[in-house]
Amino acid sequence: QKEVEQNSGPLSVPEGAIASLNCTYSDRVSQSFFWYRQYSGKSPELIMSIYSNGDKEDGRFTAQLNKASQYVSLLIRDSQPSDSATYLCAVMDSSYKLIFGSGTRLLVRP
Amino acid sequence: GAGVSQSPSNKVTEKGKDVELRCDPISGHTALYWYRQSLGQGLEFLIYFQGNSAPDKSGLPSDRFSAERTGGSVSTLTIQRTQQEDSAVYLCASSPLGGDTDTQYFGPGTRLTVL
Repeated sequence: QKEVEQNSGPLSVPEGAIASLNCTYSDRVSQSFFWYRQYSGKSPELIMSIYSNGDKEDGRFTAQLNKASQYVSLLIRDSQPSDSATYLCAVMDSSYKLIFGSGTRLLVRP
Repeated sequence: GAGVSQSPSNKVTEKGKDVELRCDPISGHTALYWYRQSLGQGLEFLIYFQGNSAPDKSGLPSDRFSAERTGGSVSTLTIQRTQQEDSAVYLCASSPLGGDTDTQYFGPGTRLTVL
């Protein structure tokens, strides 16, 4: 059974701090990784995608991938209260469907 | 441009009734996916369409669930003889090609409540 694991949180950080969200996956052949943000009562919204080992930066967001360790992370710099949401890690399997983690709830305290 | 749309946004039904949920993907997207999210649970894959064919139906929980896609566009998810455990938010997503670097864009979902 392919699995994607995330700490459910909540992860509480003060406004302006760096939030670090982590995810591990079990399927070694996975090549595509995604972070989605989901506000309460809303549908998931793509934040970042990453396909190669290393870091990928987009504004305040940095995704990090380490395929040898089967580990993906998302860093949010200068966290804002509007970043408070559940962050879903998703791994694409060989048949192009996404396997989601259960999500980490992030709370940014003003 | 328009995103993925789903209807109805909310559906309340009685146990044993059949329901149909509709998804309109982003225009031109060939791949379409159905997922569901139960209260406090993660997103669970149901079925994937490439054009009108479904190469992966592995996530459908039982034979009460079926889906079709016509004209490479609109998809309908049908749940027959609904049970209370079917209560969830049903999410549809589409992507341009269905490849491994494609982004899946989600619709707003249909919240199904089975009484």
